Amino acid sequence: GAGVSQSPRYKVAKRGQDVALRCDPISGHVSLFWYQQALGQGPEFLTYFQNEAQLDKSGLPSDRFFAERPEGSVSTLKIQRTQQEDSAVYLCASSLAGGGPGETQYFGPGTRLLVL
Amino acid sequence: DAKTTQPTSMDCAEGRAANLPCNHSTISGNEYVYWYRQIHSQGPQYIIHGLKNNETNEMASLIITEDRKSSTLILPHATLRDTAVYYCTRYTDKLIFGTGTRLQVFP
Repeated sequence: GAGVSQSPRYKVAKRGQDVALRCDPISGHVSLFWYQQALGQGPEFLTYFQNEAQLDKSGLPSDRFFAERPEGSVSTLKIQRTQQEDSAVYLCASSLAGGGPGETQYFGPGTRLLVL
Repeated sequence: DAKTTQPTSMDCAEGRAANLPCNHSTISGNEYVYWYRQIHSQGPQYIIHGLKNNETNEMASLIITEDRKSSTLILPHATLRDTAVYYCTRYTDKLIFGTGTRLQVFP
């Protein structure tokens, strides 16, 4: 496809369950970003990959959050033992090269996670 | 705070120019200003970005003050489809979003 795709679009989880969210970046894009967007707020940075290397994970809120991009293309964000405060929209973005300032990030539609 | 400051909401009549202001008084010299918009239930859509000079593309114009402490996004002829939340962001090594401006375009 032409854009960033994410799956599932919606996920309902019971508190304590593990979830996995998938991101397919634009083909050939080197950099991949994950953001978390709470209701009524702007997106907040979680983590950043350049190819398969996770260069920045400073935004991950706890050690229950884990992201990987093993082959430098598709990425998965995993949340273990989900809590109600994890309910949010999880956005993925990709950019063509190194992800530095001046390089546009293109966003996917997001995965809306609801933890009951 | 590194986050940008924007009005919570604005209205604009269809066909008129929409001018959306943003304050980024603590921006540093190598940080870009990026504008995105988000329509309900969709991901942010890129609009325009700039560093020091004013910029224009097919969607909008971006006016950055000389001291770079503020900027204005201009949609020259707003349509109903421009109704969205508009985010002014700083780009360091990541995008830093504020809470955005909810623009309502009315007929």
